[in-house]
Amino acid sequence: AQKITQTQPGMFVQEKEAVTLDCTYDTSDPSYGLFWYKQPSSGEMIFLIYQGSYDQQNATEGRYSLNFQKARKSANLVISASQLGDSAMYFCAMSGYTNAGKSTFGDGTTLTVKP
Amino acid sequence: EPEVTQTPSHQVTQMGQEVILRCVPISNHLYFYWYRQILGQKVEFLVSFYNNEISEKSEIFDDQFSVERPDGSNFTLKIRSTKLEDSAMYFCASRTGLAITDTQYFGPGTRLTVL
Repeated sequence: AQKITQTQPGMFVQEKEAVTLDCTYDTSDPSYGLFWYKQPSSGEMIFLIYQGSYDQQNATEGRYSLNFQKARKSANLVISASQLGDSAMYFCAMSGYTNAGKSTFGDGTTLTVKP
Repeated sequence: EPEVTQTPSHQVTQMGQEVILRCVPISNHLYFYWYRQILGQKVEFLVSFYNNEISEKSEIFDDQFSVERPDGSNFTLKIRSTKLEDSAMYFCASRTGLAITDTQYFGPGTRLTVL
């Protein structure tokens, strides 16, 4: 079974500052992928960044980076230079080979960027 | 860039009525999924579909639910007799394969309201 834990229901950050959203996971799959999605108030699910369990380097996509610590089973999302448009719900998710590729999601973190 | 599309964006129905939610996955993707998100809650897996059959389903996916790929492009979720608790956002997703590098892409969702 897979489990994702996001312990921060809500986070606040000042515009232009960096923020870290926490995610820990548990799985028995030997290989897996970790994903972050952004869900604005309009409801759609927007893919942000991916990290494979065998990747040696942390993933980066523009202002998003993933702080992957495999031994600690954590995959924290770092957003640099926060913008007002970053205010949204953020979900951490994982999928493995052995469960037909389905994704397991955390409860999400609501990020509010203050001007 | 190719994307998953879903129709309708919002569906309102009376309790006990049948609804069909439609999705067009990305054209070269082989694995298809439905997820549900009750307002303010986490995203929950419903069902995965590959090679014209269900590969995995959750305990939520009971006999009231069915999926179909009727014509090689559409992927539908049918709820036979809707209940109030079926009110949620329903997301369709697809991915190329089961490699951990294969990202799962989500559609914009259909918001189902059962009255």
